[in-house]
Amino acid sequence: GAVVSQHPSRVICKSGTSVKIECRSLDFQATTMFWYRQFPKQSLMLMATSNEGSKATYEQGVEKDKFLINHASLTLSTLTVTSAHPEDSSFYICSARHTSNYGYTFGSGTRLTVV
Amino acid sequence: TQLLEQSPQFLSIQEGENLTVYCNSSSVFSSLQWYRQEPGEGPVLLVTVVTGGEVKKLKRLTFQFGDARKDSSLHITAAQPGDTGLYLCAGESAGNMLTFGGGTRLMVKP
Repeated sequence: GAVVSQHPSRVICKSGTSVKIECRSLDFQATTMFWYRQFPKQSLMLMATSNEGSKATYEQGVEKDKFLINHASLTLSTLTVTSAHPEDSSFYICSARHTSNYGYTFGSGTRLTVV
Repeated sequence: TQLLEQSPQFLSIQEGENLTVYCNSSSVFSSLQWYRQEPGEGPVLLVTVVTGGEVKKLKRLTFQFGDARKDSSLHITAAQPGDTGLYLCAGESAGNMLTFGGGTRLMVKP
C-alpha cells in the first residue's frame, strides 16, 4: 500500500530557531501534498497545499514567511518552521495525494515542542 | 469555507453497545472519507464514499453517504475496546482539498 514517511516524529527546539519537517511518498508520486496542524484533542486544520514545482497555497491566517514549504520533487515536501516560538508547539501532519488514483495518505505526524 | 459538523464530540460506551457518529454539512462534497487516528499518529483511512446514498461495510463498521452528498454517518455494531480512538470525517471539495470535521473521540470500556 501507499506509504508516506514523515520525519522527524518528535523534535524539541529552542525559541528562535528553525525546524524542518520532511514528508516523503515512498512508493508513489504525489503532485500535491498538504500540511496540517493539530492541537491536543482537536481535529486537523489545513495550513497549506503544496504543489510540486510551484508555490504553496496557504490558508487564511497562516503566515507563509513563518511556515516555509518546498515541494521540489514528486516525492518530497518540506515544512520549515522559522523562528519558532512556544505557541508553534503542535502536532504537524502531512498528507500526499496520489497522482494516479487521487487517494490521500497521511504521514505519522511530527510532535514539535518549542522551549 | 466548507464546514463539516461532526457529532458527538465525545462518546464513552460499554463493550458490546452500538453507536453512530454523524457528519453534516450544508455543502456538497465530491467524496467523503472516514479516518481513525491513534494518539501521536497520523489518520488512517477507513473508507471513502463517493455516490449519494452509498453504503459501505467494513466488518462491524457501516458507512453511509447521504443522498445529497452533504452528510454521512458511521455506525459501529457491538463496539470493542479496540475501537477506541479518534474518528474523523473529511469531505473532499472540487478544489481537491479535504475539510475535516471536528472529530469524535470514542472510548469503549471493557
